[in-house]
Amino acid sequence: GENVEQHPSTLSVQEGDSAVIKCTYSDSASNYFPWYKQELGKRPQLIIDIRSNVGEKKDQRIAVTLNKTAKHFSLHITETQPEDSAVYFCAATSITGNQFYFGTGTSLTVIP
Amino acid sequence: NAGVTQTPKFRVLKTGQSMTLLCAQDMNHEYMYWYRQDPGMGLRLIHYSVGEGTTAKGEVPDGYNVSRLKKQNFLLGLESAAPSQTSVYFCASSYYLGLNPNQPQHFGDGTRLSIL
Repeated sequence: GENVEQHPSTLSVQEGDSAVIKCTYSDSASNYFPWYKQELGKRPQLIIDIRSNVGEKKDQRIAVTLNKTAKHFSLHITETQPEDSAVYFCAATSITGNQFYFGTGTSLTVIP
Repeated sequence: NAGVTQTPKFRVLKTGQSMTLLCAQDMNHEYMYWYRQDPGMGLRLIHYSVGEGTTAKGEVPDGYNVSRLKKQNFLLGLESAAPSQTSVYFCASSYYLGLNPNQPQHFGDGTRLSIL
């Protein structure tokens, strides 16, 4: 099965700085890569996703990049704000969409 | 729309007891999933279903059973609870769109289960 590794496990940045979270995957058949944000005690919520036919996707302060050859994808958050503090999860799934494989999460703290 | 609703939100069980967690979605999604979330281990798939009447094992299925008798409901059962099953359980659902099946998952609020 797929193996998704996520780094770093914790990340602290000053407000206004950028944050980058990286994930690698093992199955070359994976072709859909969502990112979820989970605030303390809340449900995971999708913040951005990317499909394998695209190298980069951006939504305001959030962007995701995908390198299919190297089998890694990254989440970039610019101009971080305290409300960005949360745990972020990456995931990967194959074309059938039957199973999603999640990374172990990155706890992001934005220091005011 | 309520989205994905999980009941109960909290439960404490004794070792050996059984219980059923209910997940209901009102978005007419084909796919439904049960995950468990443990500290430092992310979300791990227990079982999933690609449609009414069908279920399949995920990454960590042992000790759990599921049923999907109606499209909108997905039940997770613990036949004989063990302390190792103490966790937060999340249900999720997603669309299936044929040639473009990968669609984002929508999660419920979770069920916090403690087994003593």
